[in-house]
Amino acid sequence: QVQLVESGGGVVQPGGSLRLSCAASGFTFSNYGMHWFRQAPGKGLEWVAFIWFDGHNTNYTDSVKGRFTGSRDNSKNALYLQMNSLGAEDTAFYYCVRGAYCSGGNCVPPFGYWGQGTLVTVSP
Amino acid sequence: DVVMTQSPLSLSVTLGQPASISCRSSQSLVHSDGNTYLNWFQQRPGQSPRRLIYKVSNRDSGVPDRFSGSGSGTDFTLKISRVEAEDVGVYYCMQGTHWPPWTFGQGTKVEI
Repeated sequence: QVQLVESGGGVVQPGGSLRLSCAASGFTFSNYGMHWFRQAPGKGLEWVAFIWFDGHNTNYTDSVKGRFTGSRDNSKNALYLQMNSLGAEDTAFYYCVRGAYCSGGNCVPPFGYWGQGTLVTVSP
Repeated sequence: DVVMTQSPLSLSVTLGQPASISCRSSQSLVHSDGNTYLNWFQQRPGQSPRRLIYKVSNRDSGVPDRFSGSGSGTDFTLKISRVEAEDVGVYYCMQGTHWPPWTFGQGTKVEI
């Protein structure tokens, strides 16, 4: 079965850095684009980053451009999010989410699988 | 960016009664490929979000058939035909037509 397990969250000081990881299993990881979403405590959902299936392209929400870098290692079925220059506004649960896969005109729709989330707290 | 607006933001329902959540987008969600990429998610207290509906009206595997999605263009609705206790949580619509970014509604809190 599909599993996504995030790790790497914790408490970091403003201006600091953190690297999140997501271990994927139960599907052919290299076929799927992958997303990071986040949710500040008690708030709504926000898309953060999209890492294309081969890792050669990425997209980011405006508020993290230039600070966050998404990457993946398809040989390890792993997704990463390097977060630099963290501020209080980045405090949130971060979720690893499976994207879409299309082949031969058929597509597996995205966002059907979410990890359990990892909490990032930016605090002095 | 496409703005998604949900209403109501809070919904108090009676067990066994129907419930309905509206979601409106700031522009049409019809993609050039003819599909409309509008999703609905449920987030129960303390849990990760779970996709209920994709492409407006397609129910995910394991989702009870009391949940249904409808709509077109800019106006969409999630309906629960008979609310059960396990339906308590926050419901989000999300568009995947005009990306990036993928954008969510504010969420609708459903309580009994």
